Amino acid sequence: DAKTTQPNSMESNEEEPVHLPCNHSTISGTDYIHWYRQLPSQGPEYVIHGLTSNVNNRMASLAIAEDRKSSTLILHRATLRDAAVYYCIRNDMRFGAGTRLTVKP
Amino acid sequence: DTAVSQTPKYLVTQMGNDKSIKCEQNLGHDTMYWYKQDSKKFLKIMFSYNNKELIINETVPNRFSPKSPDKAHLNLHINSLELGDSAVYFCASSQGLRAGLYNEQFFGPGTRLTVL
Repeated sequence: DAKTTQPNSMESNEEEPVHLPCNHSTISGTDYIHWYRQLPSQGPEYVIHGLTSNVNNRMASLAIAEDRKSSTLILHRATLRDAAVYYCIRNDMRFGAGTRLTVKP
Repeated sequence: DTAVSQTPKYLVTQMGNDKSIKCEQNLGHDTMYWYKQDSKKFLKIMFSYNNKELIINETVPNRFSPKSPDKAHLNLHINSLELGDSAVYFCASSQGLRAGLYNEQFFGPGTRLTVL
């Protein structure tokens, strides 16, 4: 079973920021938080990962709570191509249902 | 060049048949994985091999047998196919599998298996 919980779905408007939450209250101190996304009819692709500090890359930002029990993936300006299922997972790579992000033009 | 490739992309077969799905990665990674994504879109890890050795073997029927001839290949052989085996199977690879470290996985495009 996945050890993370995410909302089933979220909607965003194009060009607006999106905050995708994830709860991982039982995470251990050495467990990384990974985010992947799966575009329609494709395999999952890596988005970002982090341990304790907030992280930024060209795709997104990852904000990690100080107690590490939750994190938020931030897409700064959603595009139609960002419509996908976003998965928050731990080192055990057990995927849950993820969050289906719909981006409206 | 494709980093992680799978063949075939589609596989339609009858119940009871035996089939194989091939996976190859050209990333020089040490670890390879097989995942199953069912009709409800849940993605579940099945197996993981590190340097040709099995390191993760989830609760998968023994009709499924992974075979790793070398580090770059992890094939999935399925005996006596059942209707419930219909799913999309993804292969993935990563640089390593070490506790406490991240291991970004690169996924293949998937193989859609349909058992009739």
